[in-house]
Amino acid sequence: DGGITQSPKYLFRKEGQNVTLSCEQNLNHDAMYWYRQDPGQGLRLIYYSQIVNDFQKGDIAEGYSVSREKKESFPLTVTSAQKNPTAFYLCASSTYRDRQGEQFFGPGTRLTVL
Amino acid sequence: DAKTTQPTSMDCAEGRAANLPCNHSTISGNEYVYWYRQIHSQGPQYIIHGLKNNETNEMASLIITEDRKSSTLILPHATLRDTAVYYCIVSPTGTASKLTFGTGTRLQVTL
Repeated sequence: DGGITQSPKYLFRKEGQNVTLSCEQNLNHDAMYWYRQDPGQGLRLIYYSQIVNDFQKGDIAEGYSVSREKKESFPLTVTSAQKNPTAFYLCASSTYRDRQGEQFFGPGTRLTVL
Repeated sequence: DAKTTQPTSMDCAEGRAANLPCNHSTISGNEYVYWYRQIHSQGPQYIIHGLKNNETNEMASLIITEDRKSSTLILPHATLRDTAVYYCIVSPTGTASKLTFGTGTRLQVTL
């Protein structure tokens, strides 16, 4: 089955630790995205990548880092510089060009920093 | 990006049509209207999108007014599984589409 996988579903970390969230897709999509969602709120874009080895900051990139070494993978690192990292993190992908608005989302990772 | 305005919540009886409105009075000529939904604690799901013509697929219909300042998503026969938050988004396509999700409309389908 084609789709997007995120792991783990739940993640707990101590304050001050960096943590990396995994996102893998086998849809052969060019573009990938990371969003953050806080309770009762909509999604906010953290980073996005249109092509391998290239990525751009979204609206709330501070305290986060990403890499795009492979088309299938777009891991997100939540660094200790992120002031309020506890949130629901969603990864998405889309084909390039005409259909980038049709984004396919993974199941999400719920990060709790203690 | 153009902003959208949606009601905070709506109720619908199971089996009836659910009509979800969205205002986007500042939409630009190159911006599409997208609809997504998010069932509790899951990732959003793409439903449908359109530019100026009405659109229909297996999930829903999208009606866009002639002046494109508002639209309505129609779920023709709502079921309990359609209970979700529905997001109306306007965005250009053909570029890296940065979708801006507002708080959406919480649709509750009841027996």
